[in-house]
Order: sequence, then structure tokens, then C-alpha cells
Amino acid sequence: NAGVTQTPKFQVLKTGQSMTLQCAQDMNHNSMYWYRQDPGMGLRLIYYSASEGTTDKGEVPNGYNVSRLNKREFSLRLESAAPSQTSVYFCASSERGQGIERSNQPQHFGDGTRLSIL
Amino acid sequence: AQKITQTQPGMFVQEKEAVTLDCTYDTSDPSYGLFWYKQPSSGEMIFLIYQGSYDQQNATEGRYSLNFQKARKSANLVISASQLGDSAMYFCAMREFNTGNQFYFGTGTSLTVIP
Repeated sequence: NAGVTQTPKFQVLKTGQSMTLQCAQDMNHNSMYWYRQDPGMGLRLIYYSASEGTTDKGEVPNGYNVSRLNKREFSLRLESAAPSQTSVYFCASSERGQGIERSNQPQHFGDGTRLSIL
Repeated sequence: AQKITQTQPGMFVQEKEAVTLDCTYDTSDPSYGLFWYKQPSSGEMIFLIYQGSYDQQNATEGRYSLNFQKARKSANLVISASQLGDSAMYFCAMREFNTGNQFYFGTGTSLTVIP
């Protein structure tokens, strides 16, 4: 059971280059998320998708775009990479939280993408 | 205001002893869930334990238990009989049911288990 799969695992970019981080989940979850993790700052939400066809900004959306391609896939794009975007990026999925019956569903995380921008 | 506050950047515990990792939260939603995750040095995020705001009893999962004090808005993680493999970062997170789809994370606590 793969869970949440992120590609690539590592990437080095030059300033100004673009790239797309891919994420796919096989748990039939409605909600998907992109986070960045920087030392001492925990996980900060970049974008999330509550369900297929919807996306919303999180805490730190500037410099990023997302696409919810279908229920399984949620990609994160850096259009013009900047050194400040050097980070570890995590994709996560969860069953949608509406009502008590589904309120205890945790997020399931991919293994992360370590992105360095020179 | 921070939704989740973890005030202990680093903690040390002797092997086989118990340790408590602190977490306080801020919400006006009467329905919410609290989660703890472990992140070992290998980097993956591992779900440990969940506590619902309406749960009458503190959650337990093996050696992990959650000391839930609703009036104080705290949800501390207790690890009993610490093992060397417990050395990791620990994150507290909250989900508010009326929004339903966002999780809020604390900045984490680094736990080191000393042999």
C-alpha cells in the first residue's frame, strides 16, 4: 500500500528555474495539502484542496501554484524559484473532515521533497 | 495568534523513563481534533495519537497517551518507558471541524532519549 507518493525526493534548482512537485495518493482521500518545513518553524501550509476541483491558499502561498489534477493527484509548481524557497516540501492527504464521524481522520504524509535553490 | 504552541524546543529523557511534551492550542470552535506526529531523523511524518474535543477519556495508544485538559486548552503527549527509537521531533496539530480541512501545526519539540 503506497499511501502518499511524492516525486522527486531531491532536487537542486537555479534561481529563476521552474519545476513541479508531484504528489499522488491511493487512499481515496478527498483532501490534499502541500506544506513546507523549515528549521524551527514547523510545517507551514502552502495550499490545500478540500476536494477535487477546489484549491485554497494556506499560510504561505506566494511564489507557488497548485493543480488538483484529479482525486488522486495534487501538484505544486514553482514558476520562478528563489533561494527563499529552499525547504523540505511535504504533501499530505486526509479524509474530509465534516461532522463527528469523520473528524478523527489524521493526515497521511509523503516522504518529502528536499529542494535546494542556488 | 498561534493556533498551536509548543514551548519546548528540546527535551531530554533517560531511557525507560516517562516524558511529557507540552502542547497548548487556541480555538473558538467547540468541535476540534488534536493530533500528535513523530518525525524521526529520516524525515517521514508518523501519526501517533488523536484526541477529539468531545472525548470523555484521554486517548492512549500503546506507550503514548494524551493528557487532555480542555479548560486549559492543553493536549500534552506522554511517552512512557522511553526507548532510544523515540528520539525524534514531535509535532502537535489541530483540526477544527467547522472548517474541516485545515490542520494547524506547532513548531515541534526535539526529544532525545539518553541511554
